[in-house]
Amino acid sequence: QKEVEQNSGPLSVPEGAIASLNCTYSDRGSQSFFWYRQYSGKSPELIMSIYSNGDKEDGRFTAQLNKASQYVSLLIRDSQPSDSATYLCAVNDPPGGYQKVTFGTGTKLQVIP
Amino acid sequence: EADIYQTPRYLVIGTGKKITLECSQTMGHDKMYWYQQDPGMELHLIHYSYGVNSTEKGDLSSESTVSRIRTEHFPLTLESARPSHTSQYLCASSILYEQYFGPGTRLTVT
Repeated sequence: QKEVEQNSGPLSVPEGAIASLNCTYSDRGSQSFFWYRQYSGKSPELIMSIYSNGDKEDGRFTAQLNKASQYVSLLIRDSQPSDSATYLCAVNDPPGGYQKVTFGTGTKLQVIP
Repeated sequence: EADIYQTPRYLVIGTGKKITLECSQTMGHDKMYWYQQDPGMELHLIHYSYGVNSTEKGDLSSESTVSRIRTEHFPLTLESARPSHTSQYLCASSILYEQYFGPGTRLTVT
């Protein structure tokens, strides 16, 4: 079982809709969670960080964390064609080891005009 | 915005050549990373460093080597390039867990 799991997609949503991207992780010791956006042929770009249970909003993006369920999600409101990209979930390795993160395989989002 | 640079951006080289991919950051980050990523595929960590003179191999076995003599500089070297090394190489840096990526080097070995 992979440590960070994401549905590879593609997830297709119409322009203006809410896109919901999901991620589960295996290690209960993880404390830091991140969402990266990666356009085709480009490098990943950090768009959201979340450390506490609940919601964190930044513009059209909302990250949601549920540590009890080991689940983190990213909501994109009013989706735009420019949001079409692969979204990577990343989770820190548990304390006591090296301070690395583990990336999921990514979910490809397609926003249809 | 993160200031992390990679050179060259594109490299086409013949089999057997020695190559060094450069990565520099101006943010004073202690931690630096090298990832390998094929088109449409997941990121694979190949090397990381937690500071000067500290380097570790990552999750993906790689024939490359790295060095960290200065905080801002983390070059990756392939002693003898092979077609199987054809890929995108991404460098990143961080203070804690938030990683910032460079633009990448697309390597093609013919």
